[in-house]
Amino acid sequence: DGGITQSPKYLFRKEGQNVTLSCEQNLNHDAMYWYRQDPGQGLRLIYYSQIVNDFQKGDIAEGYSVSREKKESFPLTVTSAQKNPTAFYLCASTPFRGANEQFFGPGTRLTVL
Amino acid sequence: GENVEQHPSTLSVQEGDSAVIKCTYSDSASNYFPWYKQELGKRPQLIIDIRSNVGEKKDQRIAVTLNKTAKHFSLHITETQPEDSAVYFCAASSNFGNEKLTFGTGTRLTIIP
Repeated sequence: DGGITQSPKYLFRKEGQNVTLSCEQNLNHDAMYWYRQDPGQGLRLIYYSQIVNDFQKGDIAEGYSVSREKKESFPLTVTSAQKNPTAFYLCASTPFRGANEQFFGPGTRLTVL
Repeated sequence: GENVEQHPSTLSVQEGDSAVIKCTYSDSASNYFPWYKQELGKRPQLIIDIRSNVGEKKDQRIAVTLNKTAKHFSLHITETQPEDSAVYFCAASSNFGNEKLTFGTGTRLTIIP
């Protein structure tokens, strides 16, 4: 089902706690992306990385952090500074510069109580 | 930055009829326009895309048209079937997709049997 996995599927956290969402791909893709999906707002880009050890802020990076230490992994940390973290988070990847299609993971639904 | 607007937000169509979803973009540098379909509880998947050097592209029952002058592009689904019911997202990117995608807010399409 695509080779890009996210875990866990559902995640519950108390307000004020940091939480890390996992994204792994075994497709040898170079670029990876994190999106946030809220009802009626489509997909909004949080961070993206086109090569290992490099990443750029997207449109809504405040309150989030990422790392790209390995090509296959791009974890997202939702920090306590994110004011409204409850959302559906999608990770995506593309194989190389010149390829256009983004392949999405199954998503993680984060609920902050 | 790029801004993509998508209309309508919801669309109900009788089975067998056609459906049209429209998007406008703001950045004249955008040159890659994909459409993604997201079924309930599933990940978005690319269904068709178009580059700025063509005006129309077809794939069986779906087609996309692009008007660069007016900065708008549309998705056309003919002979709609119940399995076409989903949320559809348009997106835009520069550098033929090697830069970040900016998504529209989505259209929930319902096919009425």
